[in-house]
Amino acid sequence: DGGITQSPKYLFRKEGQNVTLSCEQNLNHDAMYWYRQDPGQGLRLIYYSQIVNDFQKGDIAEGYSVSREKKESFPLTVTSAQKNPTAFYLCASSHVMRVPYNEQFFGPGTRLTVL
Amino acid sequence: GQQVMQIPQYQHVQEGEDFTTYCNSSTTLSNIQWYKQRPGGHPVFLIQLVKSGEVKKQKRLTFQFGEAKKNSSLHITATQTTDVGTYFCAAQIIQTGANNLFFGTGTRLTVIP
Repeated sequence: DGGITQSPKYLFRKEGQNVTLSCEQNLNHDAMYWYRQDPGQGLRLIYYSQIVNDFQKGDIAEGYSVSREKKESFPLTVTSAQKNPTAFYLCASSHVMRVPYNEQFFGPGTRLTVL
Repeated sequence: GQQVMQIPQYQHVQEGEDFTTYCNSSTTLSNIQWYKQRPGGHPVFLIQLVKSGEVKKQKRLTFQFGEAKKNSSLHITATQTTDVGTYFCAAQIIQTGANNLFFGTGTRLTVIP
């Protein structure tokens, strides 16, 4: 069954701790993305990657870091530098980015709450 | 700033009524995609529009791309309770030179049985 998995679905952390959210896809997609969703603000792009070992900052990269060591995996680390980390985090993937844009497939999301 | 504006933010309709959400940009869009997110779920791709003035239909859903490629709309005829969710437009903007998708803020649709 092909798709994108994110774990865990819910995550609680204390303020000041780094936390890593996982994202795995078996769709053989080259491009992967991380979005943050807050109520009333739609989806905002944090980081994206077009190929292994390469990634680019999105609109709100400050306080986040990523790695792309494998095509299938694109973990996101929320660092203590992120001032307001509580949010719903969505990972997505697509075939190679080009115009017209390919559809993005989203994972189920991780809801992070920082206490 | 917000590249793609979407209105309305919320819409409550009686089952059977029509529904429309609008997506607008001050700059020309390369293409536009529409996604639906059910409550508690994740966005799911609905359709992509590329050509100026393009109109596509999926059963009760009609998608339009403006002639100037600066706006788009999604119209649902005779809503059903299964239409409940948040509808997002997402666009690639020519002037930015980037391959990123810019998502609208979404329209949350509630259908009253």
